[in-house]
Amino acid sequence: NAGVTQTPKFQVLKTGQSMTLQCAQDMNHNSMYWYRQDPGMGLRLIYYSASEGTTDKGEVPNGYNVSRLNKREFSLRLESAAPSQTSVYFCASSRGIGNNSPLHFGNGTRLTVT
Amino acid sequence: LAKTTQPISMDSYEGQEVNITCSHNNIATNDYITWYQQFPSQGPRFIIQGYKTKVTNEVASLFIPADRKSSTLSLPRVSLSDTAVYYCLVGDGGATNKLIFGTGTLLAVQP
Repeated sequence: NAGVTQTPKFQVLKTGQSMTLQCAQDMNHNSMYWYRQDPGMGLRLIYYSASEGTTDKGEVPNGYNVSRLNKREFSLRLESAAPSQTSVYFCASSRGIGNNSPLHFGNGTRLTVT
Repeated sequence: LAKTTQPISMDSYEGQEVNITCSHNNIATNDYITWYQQFPSQGPRFIIQGYKTKVTNEVASLFIPADRKSSTLSLPRVSLSDTAVYYCLVGDGGATNKLIFGTGTLLAVQP
């Protein structure tokens, strides 16, 4: 089992460019999440998907869109990147609803917007 | 949403027992408490989860008082490799998956 796989690992964008961060899990988990972590800071929830076909906003959804493509995959799209979106992005998955099943995290995508 | 409060940082020495307390005054009746560990440049990693009283695994123990408004993560005999940020997480009663992390506690273990 690979667990949660994120691609790419690193990315540099110019302001205004767009890109999609990919996330896939092979644990047959129902729920998936996107968090961002700025240097020296905690994790902030961007969007989450409780099950295939559903997505909901987290704490900081502005400037992002998501797609739960199927049960395995949950992508995060930046339509017009801004320097404030420079961060490390973590994808996570969990088996069930709420906090009753642990989150499994990927290794992150390090994004720099110049 | 239940909010968590933890100390920003703690210092310890190798071989000591470390206790990190998390406050979650508004925890929902059916919600669990979960602790994660994060090393630099890595995603958080699950350590332990509990609902009430005491839970122990090969890595840590988790103590939860009867009122469940706080919890304490106990790391026995820490080593340098335990230097990391530790987060406690509670949900919103299982109604949604809107799982919000607090600021975490940076544990620095000295030789």
